[in-house]
Amino acid sequence: KQEVTQIPAALSVPEGENLVLNCSFTDSAIYNLQWFRQDPGKGLTSLLLIQSSQREQTSGRLNASLDKSSGRSTLYIAASQPGDSATYLCAARTRVLTQGGSEKLVFGKGTKLTVNP
Amino acid sequence: EPEVTQTPSHQVTQMGQEVILRCVPISNHLYFYWYRQILGQKVEFLVSFYNNEISEKSEIFDDQFSVERPDGSNFTLKIRSTKLEDSAMYFCASRGTGGNYNEQFFGPGTRLTVL
Repeated sequence: KQEVTQIPAALSVPEGENLVLNCSFTDSAIYNLQWFRQDPGKGLTSLLLIQSSQREQTSGRLNASLDKSSGRSTLYIAASQPGDSATYLCAARTRVLTQGGSEKLVFGKGTKLTVNP
Repeated sequence: EPEVTQTPSHQVTQMGQEVILRCVPISNHLYFYWYRQILGQKVEFLVSFYNNEISEKSEIFDDQFSVERPDGSNFTLKIRSTKLEDSAMYFCASRGTGGNYNEQFFGPGTRLTVL
């Protein structure tokens, strides 16, 4: 059974700092991994998706990496801004060998990021 | 940019009542999902739906839950007899098919409060 863990649960940094958010998963047979942003009381905004065959993906100031062998993914945020303050969730979609992959995303609990001006 | 929409944004109901949560997925998407998030907890998968049938469901998705695509645009989640523990934020999601269309896009959620 896939389990996803995110450490730390909360992180507070000054504006302008580069930072890394961590995500670990127990089953390395993943189909893909998706990073989301969640603002308080709001929905989930997809940030990046990394396929199992990829090592990293970039979008603007965000870079996500994937290391299946160690069961880890990181989200790197460059030059953080107060507008980046939110909870960041990672979610793994597990590959089922007899099918094209399980449909469900298994989520971590998230890292709550605060960027102070 | 296309987006998933959900109605209502907040639903308050009495225990034992039936509720229907509505979603309009992105128009050319063919896979649909419901997830829920109890306050302070992880987002949990409930069910996936493709080609007019459930393709996968979790242990949470028992006989009290059902999903339907009543027409070409809506996707609904019905809870037959709500319980206090059904209080949560319910998210609908959808994705396309083929190529790199593996990304699931989420709606803003419906906050369900069961009294």
